Amino acid sequence: AQSVTQPDIHITVSEGASLELRCNYSYGATPYLFWYVQSPGQGLQLLLKYFSGDTLVQGIKGFEAEFKRSQSSFNLRKPSVHWSDAAEYFCAADEQGAQKLVFGQGTRLTINP
Amino acid sequence: GAGVSQSPRYKVAKRGQDVALRCDPISGHVSLFWYQQALGQGPEFLTYFQNEAQLDKSGLPSDRFFAERPEGSVSTLKIQRTQQEDSAVYLCASSPTFNSPLHFGNGTRLTVT
Repeated sequence: AQSVTQPDIHITVSEGASLELRCNYSYGATPYLFWYVQSPGQGLQLLLKYFSGDTLVQGIKGFEAEFKRSQSSFNLRKPSVHWSDAAEYFCAADEQGAQKLVFGQGTRLTINP
Repeated sequence: GAGVSQSPRYKVAKRGQDVALRCDPISGHVSLFWYQQALGQGPEFLTYFQNEAQLDKSGLPSDRFFAERPEGSVSTLKIQRTQQEDSAVYLCASSPTFNSPLHFGNGTRLTVT
């Protein structure tokens, strides 16, 4: 079955440190891939998306993600986190486009001052 | 401009009651999706409209769930005879065209007691 896995339920990093959130997918063919962020009580905001082409994708708020076909991964990175980055992060995939998304379980990010 | 608006923000229902959740998409958006997000989980697809046509309802968990979008704008998700397992955040999302990334609302948190 098609699935998206985020192995880390909760990650804590210090403000100013680098960040990497992991995402693996299981699909027959490479799906469209997304990262969303959700602050408490808020909806989901799109950070970035990968459809094809360059495997390093730049997004909003200084985030980037790298698509690795050999590892079926689409990890999210940020060189230096800010306290405002504390939130829940979701990786998602869709085999056909951008809409009927399959989400991972989410990774909750906590920032230490 | 205005984003996707959902009402009510919070709904408490006694087991067995019927509830109706409303979604006002961004004006002019053709596609409209409903997702269900259980506590601590990623959102799961429920159903999809293109204008007034419900093109996919494969994610609705039972025949107690019903969604409509009669004029191709506002949508209502109705749950009949609510059960405790229906407790979740219900997210609505819209997009201007098929395969454009989704814009999510802040959701309705339903608690069934």
